Amino acid sequence: GAGVSQSPRYKVAKRGQDVALRCDPISGHVSLFWYQQALGQGPEFLTYFQNEAQLDKSGLPSDRFFAERPEGSVSTLKIQRTQQEDSAVYLCASSFNTGGTSFKGYTFGSGTRLTVV
Amino acid sequence: AQSVTQPDIHITVSEGASLELRCNYSYGATPYLFWYVQSPGQGLQLLLKYFSGDTLVQGIKGFEAEFKRSQSSFNLRKPSVHWSDAAEYFCAVGAGSNFGNEKLTFGTGTRLTIIP
Repeated sequence: GAGVSQSPRYKVAKRGQDVALRCDPISGHVSLFWYQQALGQGPEFLTYFQNEAQLDKSGLPSDRFFAERPEGSVSTLKIQRTQQEDSAVYLCASSFNTGGTSFKGYTFGSGTRLTVV
Repeated sequence: AQSVTQPDIHITVSEGASLELRCNYSYGATPYLFWYVQSPGQGLQLLLKYFSGDTLVQGIKGFEAEFKRSQSSFNLRKPSVHWSDAAEYFCAVGAGSNFGNEKLTFGTGTRLTIIP
């Protein structure tokens, strides 16, 4: 597709429920990032994939958060036993380059707004 | 660890007036600096970036930013704003290990309102 697609756009979950958020990056983009954006805050890094390899998961807030990208394209962020503090917009970003001065920047998706009630 | 401060939470500017959004960073080495814009319900769009070289960088939509190492600043400017510039603006810093293709640390954002 022309952009990074995230689904669903909105998700309401009851506390304790498991959720799965999907990211379809731009075709051929090697790098994929997940960020969490709480209300009124800037995005905070969660995890980074290069192809199917999860190279950095230092930002995942707890072991309830899990991300995968098994075939190096679509990625899923899963949150188990959701808590109210998980309410946020979850942003996915992808880029073609793995680095270098030609890096043009990420393309961000529109995000999934998760509300835990 | 790197950090970014955007001291202005909300700025209101008249259409046609000039704009400057402030950004201060904290990082031990040469940082990689970015400005992103976020419209309501949208993802973030890259306005411009600084990796090295000329400290005045030009971006899209008529924006520019100047890197000042002595002040640890990377302020965003536009000579004449348009109503369509109303949005949330985020400054971000990367550690520079992969020319920006790495995790970024974002500031808390500045919300820009344009009045007629």
